[in-house]
Order: sequence, then C-alpha cells, then structure tokens
Amino acid sequence: GENVEQHPSTLSVQEGDSAVIKCTYSDSASNYFPWYKQELGKRPQLIIDIRSNVGEKKDQRIAVTLNKTAKHFSLHITETQPEDSAVYFCAASIREGSQGNLIFGKGTKLSVKP
Amino acid sequence: ETGVTQSPTHLIKTRGQQVTLRCSSQSGHNTVSWYQQALGQGPQFIFQYYREEENGRGNFPPRFSGLQFPNYSSELNVNALELDDSALYLCASSGAGTSGAEQYFGPGTRLTVT
Repeated sequence: GENVEQHPSTLSVQEGDSAVIKCTYSDSASNYFPWYKQELGKRPQLIIDIRSNVGEKKDQRIAVTLNKTAKHFSLHITETQPEDSAVYFCAASIREGSQGNLIFGKGTKLSVKP
Repeated sequence: ETGVTQSPTHLIKTRGQQVTLRCSSQSGHNTVSWYQQALGQGPQFIFQYYREEENGRGNFPPRFSGLQFPNYSSELNVNALELDDSALYLCASSGAGTSGAEQYFGPGTRLTVT
C-alpha cells in the first residue's frame, strides 16, 4: 500500500524567512496530494492541494510543487509569520471523485520566531 | 471553519466497553471518512462511507465498524475498547464533482480509555 514519508519532523525559522517541507510517496497511482495545517487542539485544516496533472500550485504565500517521476512533493511558505506556527501534514491519495482515502505523513512542527 | 460537526467532544470509557461517535457531513457532501489520530502522529484511515456503503477500509480490526445514514451523517462504533484506542477520532466529508477530492475535517472526538 501507499506510504508517505515527511521531513523534517521539526522546523524552526525566523519571521519573514521561508519554510520548506518535503514529502515522498511510494504508490505511483496516487493522484491527489493535499496539505493540512493543524494548530494545537484543533482540526486539520486543508491549506492547499495539488493533482497529479499539475506540477505547481500557488496561493498567496503558500506554494506546492509535485515531481511525479521522483514521487515527491513539497510545501513552500514564504514570508513566514508567527501565526504560521503549527503542525503541517502532507497526504497522498488515489482519488476518484469524492472517494479514496488519504495516507498521511507523520507531520512537521513549524515554529516561527518573531 | 468547515460545516462538519462531531459529537461528543470528549469521552472517557473503560477498557472492554463500547463507544459510538457521530459525525454530520458538510452540506452537499455524500462521502464520510473516519481517521484515528494518536498523540503526535498523523491521522490514520479507518474506513470510508459513500452513499451508505463502506467504500474502503484501513488496517483496523472488525471491532471498528460504522454506518452512514440517508442524510450522509455517519457513526463510528468501537467494541471491546482497548487502552490503545485512546486517540482523537476525526471524520472528514467530501462531495461530488471536480472538487470532490477535498476532504474537510470535523473538530474530532477525544476518546480516553482507562
């Protein structure tokens, strides 16, 4: 089955710097790759996603890149702010419409120091 | 915030007991997935329900079972509770169409087994 590896497990950056989190997946059939942000005691919140027919997607300060050949995808956060501090999870899925389960990485705890 | 709701918020049970957790999906969504999130880990897929039928199951024993109702709300039942079942249980709903792949999480139910 699918396996998702996520690195690093912790990341500390200075406010205004960029942060990059990387994930690899094992199943070449995976076609959907979301990223979730989870603040302490709260639900995972979908922040951006990418499908396998796209190489890059950007939404304001957040961008995701996908390399299908190497089976890895990355989250890039620019101009980090203290409110970006949270645990970030990547996931991979074989999706058909609304169906297909998500396989999550183990998470990256991002700390943004003011 | 998403329109996904869960009840109860917290629950304390004794080993060997049974528990039922509830999830109301976001309006227009016909698919509900359940995940178990242990402390410090990423969510793990339990099973998914699509139009009242189980549509995929993760590596969880049969004592984890579920239901989906005609209004697409869902229940997760766990029999013969074990100490290791202590975790945050999350449900996520997704809908049909081009955006159907996106899963939106509820706030979770924190289950403690003593």
